Amino acid sequence: NAGVTQTPKFRILKIGQSMTLQCAQDMNHNYMYWYRQDPGMGLKLIYYSVGAGITDKGEVPNGYNVSRSTTEDFPLRLELAAPSQTSVYFCASSYESREQYFGPGTRLTVT
Amino acid sequence: KNEVEQSPQNLTAQEGEFITINCSYSVGISALHWLQQHPGGGIVSLFMLSSGKKKHGRLIATINIQEKHSSLHITASHPRDSAVYICAVRSTGGSEKLVFGKGTKLTVNP
Repeated sequence: NAGVTQTPKFRILKIGQSMTLQCAQDMNHNYMYWYRQDPGMGLKLIYYSVGAGITDKGEVPNGYNVSRSTTEDFPLRLELAAPSQTSVYFCASSYESREQYFGPGTRLTVT
Repeated sequence: KNEVEQSPQNLTAQEGEFITINCSYSVGISALHWLQQHPGGGIVSLFMLSSGKKKHGRLIATINIQEKHSSLHITASHPRDSAVYICAVRSTGGSEKLVFGKGTKLTVNP
């Protein structure tokens, strides 16, 4: 099993550009999450999904959108990138509310 | 005040020492997680617990629900244990959201 995969690993965006961060898992987990991690701060939940077709906002959803059309995939869309969105983004998955499995992260810089 | 507080923020130890990392939280919880973030950035789940104690190899996690406190212990520490250790809680009420502490950076010197 590949576990949780994320692409790209690194990306530099200009202010106002858009992009999609990809996340996929092959463990048949029903729950998936998107987090951001800023230097010196704890992980913060952006959006989560408890199953295909169901998504909900986390702590810091502004400036982001998600969709969950399949169990495996949970892409995160950034519209109109801003410098405040410079961060490391982690996707995670779990079976129900059990332990979470994390992807390797995407380092995003917005300049 | 953060809902989840970890101490210490930074910890340096010599190989072989017994390590304790603490986590205090201010809300009622249904579960507490301990995670390890490697120097390369990858995050691994170590424990999920809601009561008592769990052990995996040299790692032991305990939780005291009444005192709203958890500890992560590492016995016979090794340089490969150097990482950031993160505590996270899921509050009661059916929320799926985890609230994370800022982490404790552990450095184990040979």
